[in-house]
Amino acid sequence: NAGVTQTPKFQVLKTGQSMTLQCAQDMNHNSMYWYRQDPGMGLRLIYYSASEGTTDKGEVPNGYNVSRLNKREFSLRLESAAPSQTSVYFCASSELASGNTIYFGEGSWLTVV
Amino acid sequence: AQRVTQPEKLLSVFKGAPVELKCNYSYSGSPELFWYVQYSRQRLQLLLRHISRESIKGFTADLNKGETSFHLKKPFAQEEDSAMYYCALGYYGGSQGNLIFGKGTKLSVKP
Repeated sequence: NAGVTQTPKFQVLKTGQSMTLQCAQDMNHNSMYWYRQDPGMGLRLIYYSASEGTTDKGEVPNGYNVSRLNKREFSLRLESAAPSQTSVYFCASSELASGNTIYFGEGSWLTVV
Repeated sequence: AQRVTQPEKLLSVFKGAPVELKCNYSYSGSPELFWYVQYSRQRLQLLLRHISRESIKGFTADLNKGETSFHLKKPFAQEEDSAMYYCALGYYGGSQGNLIFGKGTKLSVKP
């Protein structure tokens, strides 16, 4: 049972480069999320998708775009990476966007130099 | 605005000592509170939620609406409890819900 799978696990980018973080869940969940985790800042929501076909901004959306490709997949794109985007990124999913239990992926460590 | 506050960044205790990780929330509606745990270089996972009122790995948490708190407690800490703990608040924002996290408390249990 894979749960939430995200790739890549590690990535180093140069400032200005673009990249996409991929996420897929096999639990037939309706809602999916992208968080970033930074020391002393905890987890901050970047974007979420309450259901297939909808996406909404979270607390820190600037510099990111997302695509809910289908019910299973939710990707996060950095169009022009900046050092401030160096972080650990977590994809997550839940059955509903209503305070249900959230299941997390293993994280993607991104360094922008 | 909805907010979750975990006042301690780091909590260090000795094995066998009691542990209390503090969490306070701000929300005008009826909250759903959760504790998530992240062991070293692993994914976050749900530890417990107030609705289920269960005890997981010896941890308990009681929702106190009067004090708007959801403190996590364990009577006797173990070394394997060392991890990052996040308190989270589930709330309804218009037609959609959300979950916001506190900044986390790192628990270190010394032998």
